[in-house]
Amino acid sequence: GENVEQHPSTLSVQEGDSAVIKCTYSDSASNYFPWYKQELGKRPQLIIDIRSNVGEKKDQRIAVTLNKTAKHFSLHITETQPEDSAVYFCAPYSSASKIIFGSGTRLSIRP
Amino acid sequence: DTAVSQTPKYLVTQMGNDKSIKCEQNLGHDTMYWYKQDSKKFLKIMFSYNNKELIINETVPNRFSPKSPDKAHLNLHINSLELGDSAVYFCASSQGGGNQPQHFGDGTRLSIL
Repeated sequence: GENVEQHPSTLSVQEGDSAVIKCTYSDSASNYFPWYKQELGKRPQLIIDIRSNVGEKKDQRIAVTLNKTAKHFSLHITETQPEDSAVYFCAPYSSASKIIFGSGTRLSIRP
Repeated sequence: DTAVSQTPKYLVTQMGNDKSIKCEQNLGHDTMYWYKQDSKKFLKIMFSYNNKELIINETVPNRFSPKSPDKAHLNLHINSLELGDSAVYFCASSQGGGNQPQHFGDGTRLSIL
């Protein structure tokens, strides 16, 4: 089955700097790569996703890059703001595997 | 206008009791899920239903029984509650399976005394 690892587990960056979170998966048949954001006490919400036929996708300050050969994808947040503070989860999907969420990355933005 | 709504928001009960959590989605999605999020924030899928049929049933105790009366509703019944059941339970839905964006409810915080 799918093995998902997310790094780092915690990340603290200065406001205005960039943050990068990496998700590594094991199932080469994975074809859908979403990132979810969960603010404290709230529900997880999809912020960006990418499919296996695309290498990069951008939405304003957020981008996701996919390296299918190396089996990892990354979340990039530029010009970080206080409201970016949250826990971020990856959830790579393959029809052969069950739905697995990464263990989460707690991002803190320092003022 | 909440897309995925679950009730109750908080549930505090004694060990050994039986309780239910209800979930409804108004997005017209055909797949619904139950997740458990523990105190360390790990998010694990418990069940998935597609058009009222069970398609994912992870290794959870058989004290947990999902019921889907129609594709817009997925309820979770828990028998003989134990201390380890304390967690936040999230309902979610998607159009299609796990390769589609999931929309989560606000969660039900279950506390066992």
